[in-house]
Amino acid sequence: NAGVTQTPKFRILKIGQSMTLQCAQDMNHNYMYWYRQDPGMGLKLIYYSVGAGITDKGEVPNGYNVSRSTTEDFPLRLELAAPSQTSVYFCASSYPRRGGHETQYFGPGTRLLVL
Amino acid sequence: GIQVEQSPPDLILQEGANSTLRCNFSDSVNNLQWFHQNPWGQLINLFYIPSGTKQNGRLSATTVATERYSLLYISSSQTTDSGVYFCAVGRGNNRKLIWGLGTSLAVNP
Repeated sequence: NAGVTQTPKFRILKIGQSMTLQCAQDMNHNYMYWYRQDPGMGLKLIYYSVGAGITDKGEVPNGYNVSRSTTEDFPLRLELAAPSQTSVYFCASSYPRRGGHETQYFGPGTRLLVL
Repeated sequence: GIQVEQSPPDLILQEGANSTLRCNFSDSVNNLQWFHQNPWGQLINLFYIPSGTKQNGRLSATTVATERYSLLYISSSQTTDSGVYFCAVGRGNNRKLIWGLGTSLAVNP
């Protein structure tokens, strides 16, 4: 298994540009998550999904959109990029267990710089 | 919302030393996980431990849910243990994890 994969690894955007960060997992996990990590900080949840066709907002959803058309893929869309979106973005997935608590597995991250 | 505080913020050890990292949280939780982020940025789950004690090799963790804290023990530290250790908590059936700021560990040879 490749686990959780993310593309691209690094990207520079100009203010106002748009882009999609790709995330895929081959572990047949129902749950997928997008986080951002700012320098010296912990992770903040942007969006998450509990299955294909179902998404919900996390702590910091403004400026982002997601879709989940398949179990495997969970792309994150940035519209009108702003310098405040400069960050490292992590995708994660997990498998539901009884009680709703699951270990999360992370991708390698995408480093985004908005200038 | 739930607040998560980790201590110490930074820690420097000589190889072979032991250490204890602490995570305090402000409200009851039923999901608590410890993660290690290596110097290259990769995040690895160490423990899912909302209560009780678990051990995995040189690492062990204890969560006392009633007193709202968790401890991560690292014994006989190695240079490969360097990185940032994060505690993340959640409650209910909510999948949202709230993350602490981490403890940055450097193990010197």
